[in-house]
Amino acid sequence: EPEVTQTPSHQVTQMGQEVILRCVPISNHLYFYWYRQILGQKVEFLVSFYNNEISEKSEIFDDQFSVERPDGSNFTLKIRSTKLEDSAMYFCASVSGGVYEQYFGPGTRLTVT
Amino acid sequence: GENVEQHPSTLSVQEGDSAVIKCTYSDSASNYFPWYKQELGKRPQLIIDIRSNVGEKKDQRIAVTLNKTAKHFSLHITETQPEDSAVYFCAALLNRDDKIIFGKGTRLHILP
Repeated sequence: EPEVTQTPSHQVTQMGQEVILRCVPISNHLYFYWYRQILGQKVEFLVSFYNNEISEKSEIFDDQFSVERPDGSNFTLKIRSTKLEDSAMYFCASVSGGVYEQYFGPGTRLTVT
Repeated sequence: GENVEQHPSTLSVQEGDSAVIKCTYSDSASNYFPWYKQELGKRPQLIIDIRSNVGEKKDQRIAVTLNKTAKHFSLHITETQPEDSAVYFCAALLNRDDKIIFGKGTRLHILP
């Protein structure tokens, strides 16, 4: 069964550094999402992406964040200048058009020191 | 915007007993209500879902009920087993392809 994959599984970075989190959605899916989960808290929506543009973003997704689909398979989340409070698990998800169920990747744990 | 409230935050039940987790949502236009199970360090895993045109759905030991008038939905786990111990999240979506709005989660402990 096809799966969403994410790399790296764990990223440690220093405050102020840029990080890029990578996702490979399921190949025929059309809608892509990033979610964040701070340790012990709920999963929060960051951004959705469709047809090569952002379709919706949350208040969390400020100017320090950006997303890109640089080729036909990868979907990336960039944080330009990381802060301590960006430490969290970041999940990518994708869905084919016209259905409800989103498929989650295994997540990237980001630790900002 | 849409908000999902979930309670209790922690629930301990004796193995073999039933567990019930309750959620409410704010946007009456919500159409889809998934439930996720999350084990430590893992991704949320869809365990059951219900659409707004259905009042109840069952899958073996798990059932979900929806009251659209009251904007309530609940997860019921019967004959609980140790492997049911996890964090459970309710969620709501307005439409297909929409973002998922999660509740705060319920940590379920199954006591031996």
